[in-house]
Formats: sequence, C-alpha cells, structure tokens
Amino acid sequence: DTAVSQTPKYLVTQMGNDKSIKCEQNLGHDTMYWYKQDSKKFLKIMFSYNNKELIINETVPNRFSPKSPDKAHLNLHINSLELGDSAVYFCASSQGDWGDEEQFFGPGTRLTVL
Amino acid sequence: AQKVTQAQTEISVVEKEDVTLDCVYETRDTTYYLFWYKQPPSGELVFLIRRNSFDEQNEISGRYSWNFQKSTSSFNFTITASQVVDSAVYFCALSEPHNAGNMLTFGGGTRLMVKP
Repeated sequence: DTAVSQTPKYLVTQMGNDKSIKCEQNLGHDTMYWYKQDSKKFLKIMFSYNNKELIINETVPNRFSPKSPDKAHLNLHINSLELGDSAVYFCASSQGDWGDEEQFFGPGTRLTVL
Repeated sequence: AQKVTQAQTEISVVEKEDVTLDCVYETRDTTYYLFWYKQPPSGELVFLIRRNSFDEQNEISGRYSWNFQKSTSSFNFTITASQVVDSAVYFCALSEPHNAGNMLTFGGGTRLMVKP
C-alpha cells in the first residue's frame, strides 16, 4: 500500500491556467506538507497543515493555496500559473508537528508550465 | 533563522571507495532535529536518519554512518565501500520544534555518482 500518494505524476499546462495536485496519505498522520523542488534540486517548504492550523511559508505567492477536505488529504491549488511555477511538487506527512518526526514523502508531481 | 549548507554540490567516486558528505547547519535553538534524505534517480525522497540535538552519539547502519558534532554544527554522512546503487542526491535537513509547523529546512543537496 502506498503511504503518501499524489496525482497526477506529470502535469503539463499553459500559462494562466488554474490547476490542482491531489495528495492522500493512509498513515493516519496529523500533519501534511507541500514542498517545491526547483530545477536545481533545491527543496523548499511551502505549507504545513494539521487540524489546528495552516502555516504558510511567507515566500509562497498567494496564487498557491492548500485545501484539506479531511485529515488524509491536502490538495494544492495553483491559480494563474506562471513559467516559474515549473517544478516538482512533493507532498509529505508526519504523525505530529513537533519537529522530531520523520516526514514521509509522496512520489512527486512534475509540473511543466508552457 | 535556520540554515543548512551542503558545500559539496557533486562528488564522484569509484565503487568501493569511502565517501563523506558534509552538512553544516545554523540554528538559534538548543533543541532541534537533523535528518538525512536520499533522492535516487527515480525521484522519490527516502528517509535515512533522524538525530536530536541532545544525542551526539555517532550512528552506524550497515555501510552508512553519521558523525554529529555540535561544536562545529556539523552532521556528516559517510558511506563505506560505496556501490553504484548509492548514486543519488543526498539532502541534509533541519527542523526546530519552536518554529510552528514542523517545517524542514533542506540543504542544497549533494549529488553522489558512484562509478563501477
């Protein structure tokens, strides 16, 4: 069974479009995250979310918004896509939010904006 | 603010050589956690190890070992007798419990190429 899954694996779209990436975890974890990995492999946190609060990295444009229909899902919505949004996006989850726990990562979604 | 530096962007070794990947971190907290993740060519991120700031014991797991030194703010990773399957990008990361959200700060990664 896949612990953290993301769909789609690849996403190719035009500038200006709105798109979503779905993430689901079956680990019963309380906290979920989105990370962005750029073409140089730099990994950067975008959001952290649990049933108490959403923490947003201040550098993330407000065109990006996470939405959590339930504890097992944290979807990423992106409005008005730009060329610079092209990257691999990773979803992750952990049991708590104290900082001492391993985060389990999904397989990533490669987004290409043309 | 926290920061993680992996000064070696790329390392190339021949199979069976030992190799050490360096990681230096910055934090103002006295309690923090350090991690290593592996990203093979297939792209997924694989957890390798977690260390808390109060445990400076070195750890060995098979061919992998980690050297944590608070005095130099370093958490280095050594692969003994490297194999081609070790070829990957390796990331060091830091989290601080006092910062909300348990967000990991990653280093820039070190690409390890092991040649047969």
